[in-house]
Amino acid sequence: NAGVTQTPKFRILKIGQSMTLQCTQDMNHNYMYWYRQDPGMGLKLIYYSVGAGITDKGEVPNGYNVSRSTTEDFPLRLELAAPSQTSVYFCASRRTQETQYFGPGTRLLVL
Amino acid sequence: TQLLEQSPQFLSIQEGENLTVYCNSSSVFSSLQWYRQEPGEGPVLLVTVVTGGEVKKLKRLTFQFGDARKDSSLHITAAQPGDTGLYLCAGSLMYSGGGADGLTFGKGTHLIIQP
Repeated sequence: NAGVTQTPKFRILKIGQSMTLQCTQDMNHNYMYWYRQDPGMGLKLIYYSVGAGITDKGEVPNGYNVSRSTTEDFPLRLELAAPSQTSVYFCASRRTQETQYFGPGTRLLVL
Repeated sequence: TQLLEQSPQFLSIQEGENLTVYCNSSSVFSSLQWYRQEPGEGPVLLVTVVTGGEVKKLKRLTFQFGDARKDSSLHITAAQPGDTGLYLCAGSLMYSGGGADGLTFGKGTHLIIQP
C-alpha cells in the first residue's frame, strides 16, 4: 500500500489564484482529514469526511472547500488564495477510532 | 485558546541524557496520541494511550496517560541523536461524538539531541 499520498509537494500561488490540493489513500479508510500546520502553531483541522459524500467543517474552514466523491480521494480547494493561507497542508485518514495516518504534506506559499 | 499545552517548546540536550516532555489540558480526552515529525514529512504515530493511568513503553520511550485523562508525558531514556525531531501530542476530546471530527493537537516540543 502507498498509504496517504498528496500532490503537489510544493506550490507557489499569487494572491487571488485558485488551486486544488490532492489527497488519495489506498487503505479503504472511511475517515479523511485536512489539517494545516503553521510555524510554531501545531496542526489545525480544516475539514473532515466520515465517508464518501459526507463532509464537515473543522476548526479553520474559511477560504477552503472540499468534496468526497469516492472513498479514496479527498481534494481540498482554495478558491481565492490569500497570504494567510501560506502553510503546510497535511491530509490524513483512518479506519479505526484512533490511529490517523498522515501524508507527506503540501507546502503552499501565497505571494 | 490552546486545548493541549506542550512543554517545553524547545529542548536541546546531550546524547545519553534523560528527558521528559509534557502535554497538559483542562479538558478530558478519550485518548491521547504522541507523534514524531521530522522536517519535510508528516507526523508519524508513536503510541496511543486510552486508559487513565496507562503506561506504555516503546524501547527507550515511556508514555503515560494521567489518571484524570487530562495530561500525558513522554520520557526518553539515554537520548540519542536519532531521537531529534518535533514531538506532538494529540487527543480525541471525550465528548466529541466518537472522535470522527479529528484530533486536537498541541504545538509540539522541538527536541535536539547533540552528539
